[in-house]
Amino acid sequence: GENVEQHPSTLSVQEGDSAVIKCTYSDSASNYFPWYKQELGKRPQLIIDIRSNVGEKKDQRIAVTLNKTAKHFSLHITETQPEDSAVYFCAASVFAGNQFYFGTGTSLTVIP
Amino acid sequence: DTGVSQDPRHKITKRGQNVTFRCDPISEHNRLYWYRQTLGQGPEFLTYFQNEAQLEKSRLLSDRFSAERPKGSFSTLEIQRTEQGDSAMYLCASSFREETQYFGPGTRLLVL
Repeated sequence: GENVEQHPSTLSVQEGDSAVIKCTYSDSASNYFPWYKQELGKRPQLIIDIRSNVGEKKDQRIAVTLNKTAKHFSLHITETQPEDSAVYFCAASVFAGNQFYFGTGTSLTVIP
Repeated sequence: DTGVSQDPRHKITKRGQNVTFRCDPISEHNRLYWYRQTLGQGPEFLTYFQNEAQLEKSRLLSDRFSAERPKGSFSTLEIQRTEQGDSAMYLCASSFREETQYFGPGTRLLVL
């Protein structure tokens, strides 16, 4: 089955700096890669996703890049704000309507 | 609130008791998923339904676990003879066909 690894497990940045979280996956059949943000005690919320037919996707301060050959994808958050502090999970799946395989999460702290 | 809802939000039970959780998906979503999340980990897939049909079950879903979605709308997850190792957050998600999954707030289970 699919194995998703996520790094780093914790990340602290100064407000206004950029944050990068990286994930690797093992199954070349995976074609869909969502990122979820989970604040303490709350539900995971989708923040951005990417499908294998594109290499990069951007939504305001958030971007995701995908390298299918190397089987890795990354989340980039620019101009970080304190409200970006949360745990971020990457996931991989054959397609969006199939089971997701999640990484172990990155706890991001943005220091004001 | 038109998002995924789960009930109860918290459940404390004694080892050996049975518990049942309910999930109400977003109304037009035909796929429904159950995940389990333990502290410091990403969600782990348990099972999913397309309409009434249970299409896939993880090996994590032992014979003490059963899930149903009798009318293709809400779903229930029952755990029989609970064990301390069952303590976790149980998350439900739903999607429309092969579009992305939206999560509910979860049911936090504590087995004493």
